Amino acid sequence: EAGVAQSPRYKIIEKRQSVAFWCNPISGHATLYWYQQILGQGPKLLIQFQNNGVVDDSQLPKDRFSAERLKGVDSTLKIQPAKLEDSAVYLCASSLASNEQFFGPGTRLTVL
Amino acid sequence: KNEVEQSPQNLTAQEGEFITINCSYSVGISALHWLQQHPGGGIVSLFMLSSGKKKHGRLIATINIQEKHSSLHITASHPRDSAVHICAGPNGGSQGNLIFGKGTKLSVKP
Repeated sequence: EAGVAQSPRYKIIEKRQSVAFWCNPISGHATLYWYQQILGQGPKLLIQFQNNGVVDDSQLPKDRFSAERLKGVDSTLKIQPAKLEDSAVYLCASSLASNEQFFGPGTRLTVL
Repeated sequence: KNEVEQSPQNLTAQEGEFITINCSYSVGISALHWLQQHPGGGIVSLFMLSSGKKKHGRLIATINIQEKHSSLHITASHPRDSAVHICAGPNGGSQGNLIFGKGTKLSVKP
């Protein structure tokens, strides 16, 4: 069974630029999560989707971050414009309902 | 909101040693997760448990619901166990929404 796929694996941008990350969850997983993991800390939930609907985006900085899952499968997370403090690993995870979450390899973002 | 605390933050062990990582949380939960993150890699789920004990190879996870405490044990540790080990529990909000501890960085020396 294929795992959660993410791309790109690494991205370096300058502050004020825009960036987008892509996630393809495990087939059949209705729930998709985006997490931000700053160096030395545990992951922090940014947004949770159930199919194509948003369940929780309370910690998403909506002035600059946006995410969508239009067809209830793949998802994209966008940052526009990026700030230095956005440098982190962005993890995507998926699960069947609220069961065990399966994580992708993450995208390491560096903002210069 | 659940608070998840792990100890120790860093742990260095010699190959073969028995290792224990502790996790405590503030709000009653239905299940607690133990995860492993290797340098540069994604996160792998080790255990999801709601009571008692689970064992997988050299890894054992225990949970005491009344004391809001869980431990991850590694028997006969090996350098390939070197990774950040993270515990996570439900945030108390939407179902499946996890809150993570800061992780324990384990380094096993040969």
